[in-house]
Amino acid sequence: AQSVTQPDIHITVSEGASLELRCNYSYGATPYLFWYVQSPGQGLQLLLKYFSGDTLVQGIKGFEAEFKRSQSSFNLRKPSVHWSDAAEYFCAVGGSGNTPLVFGKGTRLSVIA
Amino acid sequence: NAGVTQTPKFQVLKTGQSMTLQCAQDMNHEYMSWYRQDPGMGLRLIHYSVGAGITDQGEVPNGYNVSRSTTEDFPLRLLSAAPSQTSVYFCASRPIQGPQETQYFGPGTRLLVL
Repeated sequence: AQSVTQPDIHITVSEGASLELRCNYSYGATPYLFWYVQSPGQGLQLLLKYFSGDTLVQGIKGFEAEFKRSQSSFNLRKPSVHWSDAAEYFCAVGGSGNTPLVFGKGTRLSVIA
Repeated sequence: NAGVTQTPKFQVLKTGQSMTLQCAQDMNHEYMSWYRQDPGMGLRLIHYSVGAGITDQGEVPNGYNVSRSTTEDFPLRLLSAAPSQTSVYFCASRPIQGPQETQYFGPGTRLLVL
């Protein structure tokens, strides 16, 4: 069965510092991978997605993610974090055809001055 | 398009009461699903449907019923609410076929069971 692991429950970074959020997945075929962001009390916003092709995917708000099949990873990165990036981030796998989308438990990002 | 709509936005129930969370989409998507979100648990799939008349269980289906009589609507029923069902519920839809499937999420329903 497909699954997603986000090893970091909570990460704190300084404003302007770089960010990497980890995501490892388990999936039997070529995965469809997603990163979502959720601000407090808000709904989910899609940051980026990977279906095929170039393994480095660009998303909104300056985020990017790299698909590494050999490591079963899809880590999210941003070169310079802004205070407004403080939120919870979810990695998800699946979501094609009849396959449900499965989420990780999320990583909460705090940004300090 | 209105996208995915959910009603109500917020609901308070007493233990043992029943209610239906409504979900509708106007994008003619075959696939619809319900998730619940709890702190530290991410989003967990409750039920999903791949078309009218077809439903299946997700990771946490106990205590919830669904039906899919039309493409547009996918209501979630709580027959006898329990405090453990206090959560935020999200409905989602997407097309089944196509190279760029993307899940569309509703705004969520906050449910408090006392």
